[in-house]
Order: sequence, then structure tokens, then C-alpha cells
Amino acid sequence: DQQVKQNSPSLSVQEGRISILNCDYTNSMFDYFLWYKKYPAEGPTFLISISSIKDKNEDGRFTVFLNKSAKHLSLHIVPSQPGDSAVYFCAASASTRIQGAQKLVFGQGTRLTINP
Amino acid sequence: KAGVTQTPRYLIKTRGQQVTLSCSPISGHRSVSWYQQTPGQGLQFLFEYFSETQRNKGNFPGRFSGRQFSNSRSEMNVSTLELGDSALYLCASSLMAAGAIYEQYFGPGTRLTVT
Repeated sequence: DQQVKQNSPSLSVQEGRISILNCDYTNSMFDYFLWYKKYPAEGPTFLISISSIKDKNEDGRFTVFLNKSAKHLSLHIVPSQPGDSAVYFCAASASTRIQGAQKLVFGQGTRLTINP
Repeated sequence: KAGVTQTPRYLIKTRGQQVTLSCSPISGHRSVSWYQQTPGQGLQFLFEYFSETQRNKGNFPGRFSGRQFSNSRSEMNVSTLELGDSALYLCASSLMAAGAIYEQYFGPGTRLTVT
């Protein structure tokens, strides 16, 4: 059962335009969401996160939007740059009875290609 | 501040052998988590350790085990290796505080190939 889904395996965007990556989740217990970027042969790099008490979080060119009623989040990158070409993973976590215990559930990833 | 380090970076083993992977978290981080990444299954959670105690466990067989030392360094062990264990094993560390969820920072991974 895929609790976190990224339905687009790939996305191609022109340099300078907006990149929008989407993620859906099914588990209503998730209350913290993260986006990671991954280059080949490297571990994922944390980009931005959002708590379920918010609906938007912004950090420079990156903005994450959360729609709890739709169980949907998206990552916007503006403007897109060639260095943004990578695989992007969304991940979700649920507060547990054990304070602070963490388990991230990842989507399958979306390969973003920025064309010059 | 140094990032998460994992050793070795690459490993080749044969079926039936066992393997131990090592992870050193970011200084000051007390939570260490392990993930397996394969092309078919994506990134899957193995287990999480905090203060030398396993607090969370994913759906992997008992052949997969781990431990954490008093300096927060962690090891992961896989016994009786199978071909399907070939994967990138990622370690992530996190700064912990009571009741909070913090971002996890990943190491470069250990690429395990089982032949």
C-alpha cells in the first residue's frame, strides 16, 4: 500500500520557468512533510519541510504548499535553474506515541529536468 | 560541521554471507535512521535508533538488525545475504528534541551488491 505517491515519474521544464512537483498521501495521521532532492550516487539532500498546522512554507526559490483536505502537497521552484535537475522525493512522517520517534515514508520520486 | 558519513561506500558480497555497515551522524545528532533504496521499491525505512535504543522498525525480516553506540554512531547488519538485498543503504541523522519532529540529513549511502 503506497501511502505517499508521486504520480509523475518525470517532469521537464524550461530554465527560468516554474517547476511544480506534486505529491499525494493517504494516511491522515501524517503531520509533517518534507521534500528531498537526490543526485545519482549521493544521499538525498533536505530541501524544505512543512508542518500540518501550516499550509505554506517558503525558503528562497522553494515553496511547499499543503492542502490537508485533499491530502496533497506540492513543491514550487521559481525560477528553475539547470542545477535543479535531479530526482525529487516527498516524504511524510506521523507523530508517534514515542515522543520524537521518526519514520519517514517516501514517495517514488519525480525526475526533474531543467532545459536551458 | 561535517555531514553524515557512511563506510564503506561500496561493497560486494556473495549470497549467504553477512555484512556490517557503519554510520557516523552529524555531531550533536542523537537519532539515526536507516533506509534501503532499490529501483523497484524506492526508499524504505528499516529502523531508527535514539540513545542506543531502537524506537521504530520497518517491515523487514529479522536478518536486518542494527545497533547504536553511546557516541551515537550506528551499525547495520544483514545476515544470510540474498540477491534481493542488493541496494543502496542510506543512513540519516536528526537533531532530536522532546515532542518535535526534525529534518533528517542523509549520508552518501553504501552500495551493496550481492552476487
